[in-house]
Amino acid sequence: SQQGEEDPQALSIQEGENATMNCSYKTSINNLQWYRQNSGRGLVHLILIRSNEREKHSGRLRVTLDTSKKSSSLLITASRAADTASYFCATDWTGANNLFFGTGTRLTVIP
Amino acid sequence: DGGITQSPKYLFRKEGQNVTLSCEQNLNHDAMYWYRQDPGQGLRLIYYSQIVNDFQKGDIAEGYSVSREKKESFPLTVTSAQKNPTAFYLCASSPGLAETQYFGPGTRLLVL
Repeated sequence: SQQGEEDPQALSIQEGENATMNCSYKTSINNLQWYRQNSGRGLVHLILIRSNEREKHSGRLRVTLDTSKKSSSLLITASRAADTASYFCATDWTGANNLFFGTGTRLTVIP
Repeated sequence: DGGITQSPKYLFRKEGQNVTLSCEQNLNHDAMYWYRQDPGQGLRLIYYSQIVNDFQKGDIAEGYSVSREKKESFPLTVTSAQKNPTAFYLCASSPGLAETQYFGPGTRLLVL
């Protein structure tokens, strides 16, 4: 399978703390995206990082990409209870026509 | 109000019955997708369509069928050949293949 794999599978933190989740993949990619899914809802796109970029920011989100290690991390700073959701990485690997979604990290932020 | 819609929100299927899930988008996107999500799992691609009148099988197409007669619409039929259809079904669209995808709210299919 060409899916990415997120780590950890589940993460529970206190409000105000930072949350870090990781994504590993197997093949060369064009870009990597992070999505968020609230329980029972569709996915929402958060951020896209291209293979020639190393770091990208969007509000409280910081994404890094290490193509030599085939891994990416998503950092959510100053977490809020409303950040409670599942987070998925998706890779657009070279030669493919689609995105491949990982299995997700379920984040719980305790108020 | 631009977006992607799915209906119904919940759908019940009886043994041996075919059911059709609706997906409509007004984002003028060329590409559309259907995913299946099982509890606590990631997304698995069922079918995708790059343009009107064209569609391709994804990883788990068996027991499913689709059509793409209009750019805005990409309905998914879950046939009686799909023996374990209970899941959450997500439709998505994107400007082109492998670009950022925009998701609908999902349809939960349950078997009676």
